Amino acid sequence: QKEVEQNSGPLSVPEGAIASLNCTYSDRVSQSFFWYRQYSGKSPELIMSIYSNGDKEDGRFTAQLNKASQYVSLLIRDSQPSDSATYLCAVDNAGNMLTFGGGTRLMVKP
Amino acid sequence: EAQVTQNPRYLITVTGKKLTVTCSQNMNHEYMSWYRQDPGLGLRQIYYSMNVEVTDKGDVPEGYKVSRKEKRNFPLILESPSPNQTSLYFCASSLNGGGYTFGSGTRLTVV
Repeated sequence: QKEVEQNSGPLSVPEGAIASLNCTYSDRVSQSFFWYRQYSGKSPELIMSIYSNGDKEDGRFTAQLNKASQYVSLLIRDSQPSDSATYLCAVDNAGNMLTFGGGTRLMVKP
Repeated sequence: EAQVTQNPRYLITVTGKKLTVTCSQNMNHEYMSWYRQDPGLGLRQIYYSMNVEVTDKGDVPEGYKVSRKEKRNFPLILESPSPNQTSLYFCASSLNGGGYTFGSGTRLTVV
């Protein structure tokens, strides 16, 4: 059973702080990694993808991948109340099967 | 506007009455997929399709059918719905199997 694990939270950070969201996965052959944001009652929205070890930055978001440790993370700099949502980590093993973690609920307090 | 369109948004039905949830995308995407989302269980893949006439089972395919006769459409069929299929369903599409674009969701209640 391929697994993707996330701390369910809630993770509470003050406005302007860095939010750090973590994800581990079990399948060593995983090749593609994604972060989705899901607001309450809405559909998941893709915010970051990462395919190779290291960091990838896009605006206030940075995704980090360490395949040796089977670990992927998402950093949100200068967190805003509008960032309050559930963040889903997803792992694609063969271009077909996207396995999601349970999500981490982030709360950014003004 | 590039989007994935699901219908209906809300559906209440009775046990055993066949239903179809439609899904259509206008982005010429090759990959399409159906997920269900349940509290405490997260998003789980039901079926996916890599191209027209190519479909395969995901993690929780029992009780569901799909078809991919055209590239843009990927309907989800419940031949004999049961209460344990009460859930929030999402259709999604992707150009190359990477990041998916999700539809707005269908909240299904089976009584």
